[in-house]
Amino acid sequence: KNEVEQSPQNLTAQEGEFITINCSYSVGISALHWLQQHPGGGIVSLFMLSSGKKKHGRLIATINIQEKHSSLHITASHPRDSAVYICAVSDNNDMRFGAGTRLTVKP
Amino acid sequence: KAGVTQTPRYLIKTRGQQVTLSCSPISGHRSVSWYQQTPGQGLQFLFEYFSETQRNKGNFPGRFSGRQFSNSRSEMNVSTLELGDSALYLCASSFSPGQGSTGELFFGEGSRLTVL
Repeated sequence: KNEVEQSPQNLTAQEGEFITINCSYSVGISALHWLQQHPGGGIVSLFMLSSGKKKHGRLIATINIQEKHSSLHITASHPRDSAVYICAVSDNNDMRFGAGTRLTVKP
Repeated sequence: KAGVTQTPRYLIKTRGQQVTLSCSPISGHRSVSWYQQTPGQGLQFLFEYFSETQRNKGNFPGRFSGRQFSNSRSEMNVSTLELGDSALYLCASSFSPGQGSTGELFFGEGSRLTVL
């Protein structure tokens, strides 16, 4: 079993839909990261969380430390949100990554 | 300010050769981490450097090595290349060490290595 599990693996949505991507982890962590990767490879850090909830524009990230679970929400999705979203956890000595969720938003 | 710069962006090598990749962090950042991304294994941590010292190393063979210079620029080297080393190699910089445990990571665009 992977230490960082993401679901779903693939997600197709219509423009304007509310989207949720989930991440569960089984190790102790110092922080959890949500990353976005567009075709071509570059990665952008969306959020770094150690507790609670963060919001940036249409993106919201939450984490429940007790349940070892985090969610990334996208409100009013747009085709430009199409990308791979990766959950990663860090513990000061290592960083472990989920397999990613490929999101396609259709106009 | 300028982001994380990786060079070269693309390169093709043959089995048995060696390769050196470079990463220039954001100005003021002293931590540089390296990651390998393949379709089969996804993203995996290679090593982290902070103030010219290797802090941690992932589960990779000794053919994978790195170093960091006094200006925080980092290089990684892979010797005796194998077909399985074909991957996107990403580096990330941050102000503090710990691979994002205490501070946000800023990633470069990556160096895509193809081994023939």
